[in-house]
Amino acid sequence: DAKTTQPPSMDCAEGRAANLPCNHSTISGNEYVYWYRQIHSQGPQYIIHGLKNNETNEMASLIITEDRKSSTLILPHATLRDTAVYYCIVRVGWETSYDKVIFGPGTSLSVIP
Amino acid sequence: EAQVTQNPRYLITVTGKKLTVTCSQNMNHEYMSWYRQDPGLGLRQIYYSMNVEVTDKGDVPEGYKVSRKEKRNFPLILESPSPNQTSLYFCASSSGGAGEQFFGPGTRLTVL
Repeated sequence: DAKTTQPPSMDCAEGRAANLPCNHSTISGNEYVYWYRQIHSQGPQYIIHGLKNNETNEMASLIITEDRKSSTLILPHATLRDTAVYYCIVRVGWETSYDKVIFGPGTSLSVIP
Repeated sequence: EAQVTQNPRYLITVTGKKLTVTCSQNMNHEYMSWYRQDPGLGLRQIYYSMNVEVTDKGDVPEGYKVSRKEKRNFPLILESPSPNQTSLYFCASSSGGAGEQFFGPGTRLTVL
């Protein structure tokens, strides 16, 4: 079973911020939160990841709650090209020898003109 | 250009005819992985490899084999394909640490 839960779908108006939630209540101390997105049937594309602190890059921001049981991906100014399925996954770091990756069904984000 | 390549991109075959889907990365990544994607089921990991000669099962390894003889290559082998292996397959690679995974373009396999 996936270690994360996400809403199956969301809509967002073009130009507005898209806030995609993810619940990972069983996350372990050495697990990172990663976000990927997949447009149509292309290979998933990495967006951002974090361990404890909030992170920002040119694509998005990642807000992780203090207890690390949930996080939110923020696309600050959504465009039509951001319409995709967004996956939140947790993954242990390289320090362990066990690195199975489990994707859930993700959130299908539709950006509306 | 840093990339993960897969071949073939599309394949139609028949039940029982052995096939290999190749995956190659040019980023000197230690970690490589295979996923399959089916409607409504998201991406499911088949096998992964932490480094050369080190492979391990993911969530759905039945009916698949892999090998990692070289760092850059991680072929997926279907010894006796069956129709339930009809799917979209992705290969991915990442560096050590908390590295992001780079995904290939996908291989759409149909087994008749």
